Amino acid sequence: QQQVKQSPQSLIVQKGGIPIINCAYENTAFDYFPWYQQFPGKGPALLIAIRPDVSEKKEGRFTISFNKSAKQFSLHIMDSQPGDSATYFCAALTQGGSEKLVFGKGTKLTVNP
Amino acid sequence: GAGVSQSPSNKVTEKGKDVELRCDPISGHTALYWYRQSLGQGLEFLIYFQGNSAPDKSGLPSDRFSAERTGGSVSTLTIQRTQQEDSAVYLCASSSRGGKKFFGPGTRLTVL
Repeated sequence: QQQVKQSPQSLIVQKGGIPIINCAYENTAFDYFPWYQQFPGKGPALLIAIRPDVSEKKEGRFTISFNKSAKQFSLHIMDSQPGDSATYFCAALTQGGSEKLVFGKGTKLTVNP
Repeated sequence: GAGVSQSPSNKVTEKGKDVELRCDPISGHTALYWYRQSLGQGLEFLIYFQGNSAPDKSGLPSDRFSAERTGGSVSTLTIQRTQQEDSAVYLCASSSRGGKKFFGPGTRLTVL
């Protein structure tokens, strides 16, 4: 049973476009929702994260929208650039325990010049 | 170094052989995680160490997999009698308790 479902699997946009990546979760005990960015040959790096007590969080060109009742959250990248081309993973965890992250399967984003 | 380091970066082995993968966490980080990333899949949790507590081994896929963490620092993931389905990138992450997790670059394991 996949606890965090991520879509789409891949996404191609033009420079300046606004790619949107969606995730849905099942476990209502999750209380921390990070997004990771991974470049080829590198480990994932934390991009932005949100807790369920807010509906939106923005850091630079990256925005997370969170819908607690629907158990969904999404990543928006404003004014996307070719350097944003990477694989993005959403994740979830329950704080206070082992804090093991449960990941979605990833979205490969390509931003064309 | 400032980040999490893993060695080797690449490992090719023959089916049935044992392999050891090493992780050096960020100094002072008490929590250490191992994840496995297979092609087209997300990251799959394997095992978690926190200080001197008993590790959370709930993600280990079989008894061929084991891990230890010596002195609260370096960790070794051992896979015995490797199978082709063990081919993946093995990632290590560390954090302070409740803090941001930092991932290493991973070890790419290929079992022929």
